Amino acid sequence: GQNIDQPTEMTATEGAIVQINCTYQTSGFNGLFWYQQHAGEAPTFLSYNVLDGLEEKGRFSSFLSRSKGYSYLLLKELQMKDSASYLCAVIESNYQLIWGAGTKLIIKP
Amino acid sequence: NAGVTQTPKFQVLKTGQSMTLQCAQDMNHEYMSWYRQDPGMGLRLIHYSVGAGITDQGEVPNGYNVSRSTTEDFPLRLLSAAPSQTSVYFCASSAEVGTGANVLTFGAGSRLTVL
Repeated sequence: GQNIDQPTEMTATEGAIVQINCTYQTSGFNGLFWYQQHAGEAPTFLSYNVLDGLEEKGRFSSFLSRSKGYSYLLLKELQMKDSASYLCAVIESNYQLIWGAGTKLIIKP
Repeated sequence: NAGVTQTPKFQVLKTGQSMTLQCAQDMNHEYMSWYRQDPGMGLRLIHYSVGAGITDQGEVPNGYNVSRSTTEDFPLRLLSAAPSQTSVYFCASSAEVGTGANVLTFGAGSRLTVL
């Protein structure tokens, strides 16, 4: 069946690095998204991976291993404003999105 | 550009009442969709549309209707509200259909409570 797993909650310290993992089992694969969602707000696009490897975008990087059904989002030099939920979503073979429940990231000073 | 505009932001209904959540986008996006977001669960697709006059069901369509008479508008109708429909609803659109990189632009959300 379809399944996307992410940790429910993580805590990290301002200035540090945190890695948020996402594992998936889906019907086909056409890419993987990471979105950021601040409390009470809409999700906003962070990254898209379709090929294996690391995509770097400023302080944020996203990694994909298709053979392992695994992705992670790496956040460097954490800032208080990075406190948010991070949503992993996989594009299935029919181009529909399957969403993980999200990881709530808490940044402490 | 306003992006994706949803109204209302908050709504309280009684069981059995009907209402329409409005969604409009000004980006000329072909693809529009409605999701609901519940605690501890991923976003779940209710209905979607790949162009004016075309709609289809998502994962959780029961109790909801949609129509797409124009490219810009995609209203979601709750026919007879039930407490199980208490949720946050998001409208989202994207420029491309049927390709991998369908980056979604979300509206601000509508928080619905059914008593």
